[in-house]
Amino acid sequence: QQQVKQSPQSLIVQKGGISIINCAYENTAFDYFPWYQQFPGKGPALLIAIRPDVSEKKEGRFTISFNKSAKQFSLHIMDSQPGDSATYFCAARPLNNQGGKLIFGQGTELSVKP
Amino acid sequence: NAGVMQNPRHLVRRRGQEARLRCSPMKGHSHVYWYRQLPEEGLKFMVYLQKENIIDESGMPKERFSAEFPKEGPSILRIQQVVRGDSAAYFCASSPTGTGSNYGYTFGSGTRLTVV
Repeated sequence: QQQVKQSPQSLIVQKGGISIINCAYENTAFDYFPWYQQFPGKGPALLIAIRPDVSEKKEGRFTISFNKSAKQFSLHIMDSQPGDSATYFCAARPLNNQGGKLIFGQGTELSVKP
Repeated sequence: NAGVMQNPRHLVRRRGQEARLRCSPMKGHSHVYWYRQLPEEGLKFMVYLQKENIIDESGMPKERFSAEFPKEGPSILRIQQVVRGDSAAYFCASSPTGTGSNYGYTFGSGTRLTVV
């Protein structure tokens, strides 16, 4: 069964610090790796995404690092702010599936302290 | 441009009743996905639909659950004879395409189903 494992389950960071969330997958047949941000009571929102032919992608304070050989990818949030406090999910799209089905990690609850 | 609209936001059902969850995709989006989120867990894929077609239902429980996306109107996720284990947040997402180049889902705010 295709799986995406995410860690840590929860994370506390001081304002201005770097938040790092890691994901690993167990099946090589993925072709797209998005990260979603979810605030309480809301649906997940796409934050940033990467394809496996790229090792790093940066958008503002958010960076994805991708290590294809290790089957790992991570989200770095630079200069973390209290407004970044949310639950973050990594995901992976199976290759050759019939549509846009995504496999999600278990989520990381980030709390940024002022 | 309204986002993905889900209703109701909260739904309480007694065991054995039916639950009907509605999802209106974003304008111009013809691909709809349903996910379930259990407490303290990530989202689990349930079904992918296009207008009048079920494309992938590999995540749907084999009994009591069904989904449709008619030519007119919203997509419906239907749960018959609900049990306490069905209590979860159900999210709908839509996209303009189903495959191919980079795209992202747009999720709705979800329907929180509570079975009492």
